[in-house]
Amino acid sequence: KQEVTQIPAALSVPEGENLVLNCSFTDSAIYNLQWFRQDPGKGLTSLLLIQSSQREQTSGRLNASLDKSSGRSTLYIAASQPGDSATYLCAVKYSSASKIIFGSGTRLSIRP
Amino acid sequence: GAVVSQHPSRVICKSGTSVKIECRSLDFQATTMFWYRQFPKQSLMLMATSNEGSKATYEQGVEKDKFLINHASLTLSTLTVTSAHPEDSSFYICSASETGLFNQPQHFGDGTRLSIL
Repeated sequence: KQEVTQIPAALSVPEGENLVLNCSFTDSAIYNLQWFRQDPGKGLTSLLLIQSSQREQTSGRLNASLDKSSGRSTLYIAASQPGDSATYLCAVKYSSASKIIFGSGTRLSIRP
Repeated sequence: GAVVSQHPSRVICKSGTSVKIECRSLDFQATTMFWYRQFPKQSLMLMATSNEGSKATYEQGVEKDKFLINHASLTLSTLTVTSAHPEDSSFYICSASETGLFNQPQHFGDGTRLSIL
């Protein structure tokens, strides 16, 4: 069974710290992996998309890595800000036409 | 960038009412769109895959007669919750990616919060 797991479920850190969110998946034959941000009561905003042939993607203070052999991805957030507070979701796709499988998310809180 | 528009953003209605939610890809075409449901403090659960010009594919446990999906064009999919009851109250979100392009990200609508009284 293809599953996506995110640990921790919740994380609270002081402003300015660098942090890492973790995502693991059971089947390593992925097509791509995507990190999303969700604010309370809102839809999802795509942050980074990593294709199966890539090892990492960067956008501003965000860096996402992918290690298919170990079934893991990390989202690194540098110099965290209160505005980064949100739920971060990891999602895996196994083929171009397949559904996306979501992790349960990590609820991040940045303390001013 | 690609935008998915979802309407309405919020619906409050009486039990027994049927509610239609629209999902539009504004600047790209999508032969496939996805409908999700999200309960408070939980992740997204895929309900069904909407296919343009053909029947939707429903996930196990999702009643197709309860949640009617129509994907009549390459830019519009609709989800109708028929005879809605309080247990149908939830946050419904759709997503799409551009057809024909390799390895495109999924773009999500802003969601519809459905409250059945």
